[in-house]
Amino acid sequence: DAKTTQPPSMDCAEGRAANLPCNHSTISGNEYVYWYRQIHSQGPQYIIHGLKNNETNEMASLIITEDRKSSTLILPHATLRDTAVYYCIVRGGADGLTFGKGTHLIIQP
Amino acid sequence: DVKVTQSSRYLVKRTGEKVFLECVQDMDHENMFWYRQDPGLGLRLIYFSYDVKMKEKGDIPEGYSVSREKKERFSLILESASTNQTSMYLCASSPYYTEAFFGQGTRLTVV
Repeated sequence: DAKTTQPPSMDCAEGRAANLPCNHSTISGNEYVYWYRQIHSQGPQYIIHGLKNNETNEMASLIITEDRKSSTLILPHATLRDTAVYYCIVRGGADGLTFGKGTHLIIQP
Repeated sequence: DVKVTQSSRYLVKRTGEKVFLECVQDMDHENMFWYRQDPGLGLRLIYFSYDVKMKEKGDIPEGYSVSREKKERFSLILESASTNQTSMYLCASSPYYTEAFFGQGTRLTVV
């Protein structure tokens, strides 16, 4: 059963912020929200994760709503190299890591 | 840097053969995972292991088995390969509650 819901595709102009939404309304208290991306023909790459506070690293920011039922991944200045499939996953510590269909983000020049 | 190494990048096997896909990680991670990826179906979890000798079925375990005798190594076994097991196979490892690291994948063709 899918634990997350994401739009199948999104477009964003190069240089603009890309905001990728994810719904995870059945998330439980010990589950973290993870984001990965996969560029064609490569293994998935970790981006960021969080429990309930907003998080930021050199790649992206993660905004989690107060009720934890949804989150948004923000790529602040998208480049053509950010074109990829982005996966939002919820997971507890020793759980399997289950990927959904993800969002295909296309950065337009 | 964390390294997850899959034994082969490309593999061609015959129908009915027993196939072993090996994955080794060098960071003492508790969790290890095997996935297959097919066009239009995304990444599907086959099996995972959260400790030595422990295994859990993922979403599509049929036709596969796994072995984890040592913490650093997680093997995926196709007992009798079939053409519908032609796919890209990806291995990953992670500690608890942190990110997973993926290998580069093995593209298996069963003829």
